[in-house]
Amino acid sequence: DGGITQSPKYLFRKEGQNVTLSCEQNLNHDAMYWYRQDPGQGLRLIYYSQIVNDFQKGDIAEGYSVSREKKESFPLTVTSAQKNPTAFYLCASSIFQGGTNEQFFGPGTRLTVL
Amino acid sequence: AQTVTQSQPEMSVQEAETVTLSCTYDTSESDYYLFWYKQPPSRQMILVIRQEAYKQQNATENRFSVNFQKAAKSFSLKISDSQLGDAAMYFCALVGTSGSRLTFGEGTQLTVNP
Repeated sequence: DGGITQSPKYLFRKEGQNVTLSCEQNLNHDAMYWYRQDPGQGLRLIYYSQIVNDFQKGDIAEGYSVSREKKESFPLTVTSAQKNPTAFYLCASSIFQGGTNEQFFGPGTRLTVL
Repeated sequence: AQTVTQSQPEMSVQEAETVTLSCTYDTSESDYYLFWYKQPPSRQMILVIRQEAYKQQNATENRFSVNFQKAAKSFSLKISDSQLGDAAMYFCALVGTSGSRLTFGEGTQLTVNP
């Protein structure tokens, strides 16, 4: 079955630690995205990547880093510089050119800072 | 820049009744796509319906339909014969065909009363 997987589902971090959230897709999509969602709010774009080995900052990139070494994978690292990292993180992918630009979402990772 | 506004933070409907969720937007793109996504308590983002801006005909998916008013930049979602499983947060979103960034509204929390 084609789709997007995120792991882990729940993640706990101590203050001062870096953590990496995994996102993998087998939809053969060119573009991948990371969003942050806080309780009762909409989605805010952290980073996105349209092709391998290239990525751009979104609206709230400070304190986060990404890599895109493979088309299928787009891991997000939440660094100790992120002052308030407790949130729900969603990964998505889409066809970059052509198609309907619809984004398909993973199930999300809930990150809690202890 | 593009913006999406959902002016109804919360809505409620009786089971089997009809409800309409509002969305207005602004974009400088000449061609774009509009979406309604549903986020149930599981927090998985699910595409409900999409509308291509160049199409005058309103999109329909079973009990879900849109009222797309391009000149007014309005994109409302109508849910007919509401079911308990329709209870969720609903997000309106827009993406221009020249880029890949999806802009979300703040969401409308829909409650379905039995």
